[in-house]
Formats: sequence, structure tokens, C-alpha cells
Amino acid sequence: DGGITQSPKYLFRKEGQNVTLSCEQNLNHDAMYWYRQDPGQGLRLIYYSQIVNDFQKGDIAEGYSVSREKKESFPLTVTSAQKNPTAFYLCASQTGGPYGYTFGSGTRLTVV
Amino acid sequence: GQQVMQIPQYQHVQEGEDFTTYCNSSTTLSNIQWYKQRPGGHPVFLIQLVKSGEVKKQKRLTFQFGEAKKNSSLHITATQTTDVGTYFCAGLSLNDYKLSFGAGTTVTVRA
Repeated sequence: DGGITQSPKYLFRKEGQNVTLSCEQNLNHDAMYWYRQDPGQGLRLIYYSQIVNDFQKGDIAEGYSVSREKKESFPLTVTSAQKNPTAFYLCASQTGGPYGYTFGSGTRLTVV
Repeated sequence: GQQVMQIPQYQHVQEGEDFTTYCNSSTTLSNIQWYKQRPGGHPVFLIQLVKSGEVKKQKRLTFQFGEAKKNSSLHITATQTTDVGTYFCAGLSLNDYKLSFGAGTTVTVRA
């Protein structure tokens, strides 16, 4: 079955450590996105990529980095520069047309 | 930048009643999408509206896109316990490919 896989589902890290969240899709979608969700808030865009080897900052990119070396993969690194990293992180992909975004099941990151 | 506002933030509904959630954008949109997120889950795409004044139905759900393409609504009739979750609208701006999400309406249902 096609879909988006995010791993791990839960992640705990100590403050000051960088951490990389995985996002893999087998939908053959060109565009991929990273969103952050905090309680009671909507989804806020961190980074997005329309094509391999190219990506753009979203609304809250500070403290995050990404790469897009393969069409299937769009990992997100939460760096120690991110002041409040504890959140639910969602990866999405999209092919265009009237089909909307397909979301992964998310990674819940807790920094202690 | 573009902002998408959604009201109400919370909706407590008696089973069998109807309710509506509203979405307003500060700018004209290319299209608007609606998603549902069940508790503990991830957003799932429901529908996309593209044309001015467009109305689409999915069983008990009715989606509308305003004439000016700056607002939208989701109306649910005869609410069921399966309708529990958070409903997000998301607007695609005319100028770029970024989707801006509203804060969502979290729906709880009293049996």
C-alpha cells in the first residue's frame, strides 16, 4: 500500500541535542512538507520541497534543517537552536490536482 | 502573510444535532481544503473546493466556498459519535504553493 511513513512515533531527547525525524513516501509525489502542531493550534509550516534537491523555508524554519536528496525521503533535523522543540511533527506529500495532502502518522518529540 | 481564521475553536454537540464551522482568509484563495484529525491521529484530507460559490456534499457533510473565495464553511447534519475530532480548513494562496491551516474546530459529541 502507498503512503507516508514517519519514524519513530515517539522520540525523547535531551535539551541541546540535535535530532532527525524520518519521513519516507512511496506515493511518487513530487512535493513534500513538514508541519509542526502544538495543542490548540493549527499546523504551522516548517519547510517544504517541490522537487528533489530543492527546498524552501516555511513560516517557522528557525532551528530546523532539511534535505531532499531523494524523491522518496525528506528528513527533518531539529537542532539545538530550536527554542521550544517539544511538539507533534507531521510530514505530508502532495501530487497536485484535487487530492489534497497525504499526511504521515506523525512523530511526537519530547525534549527534556 | 496569509492568515486563515477558523471559528469556533470548540464545538460541543448533542448527538443528532447539526453544527457549522467557519473559515475566513485575509486574502483571496486559489482553493480551500478541509481535513479531519481524529483524537491521537493525523489529518486526513476530506475535500477541496476550487470554484467561487462551490458547494460539495459528502453524506452528512456540506462544504461551501464563498463567492469572493475568502471564506468557507463545513456543515454537519445529524451529528454522530463518529464525527468526533478536529476539523481543519486550509487555504492555498494565489501566489505560491503553501497551504495555510486554520487552528481547527474540535468537536465533541454528547450521546
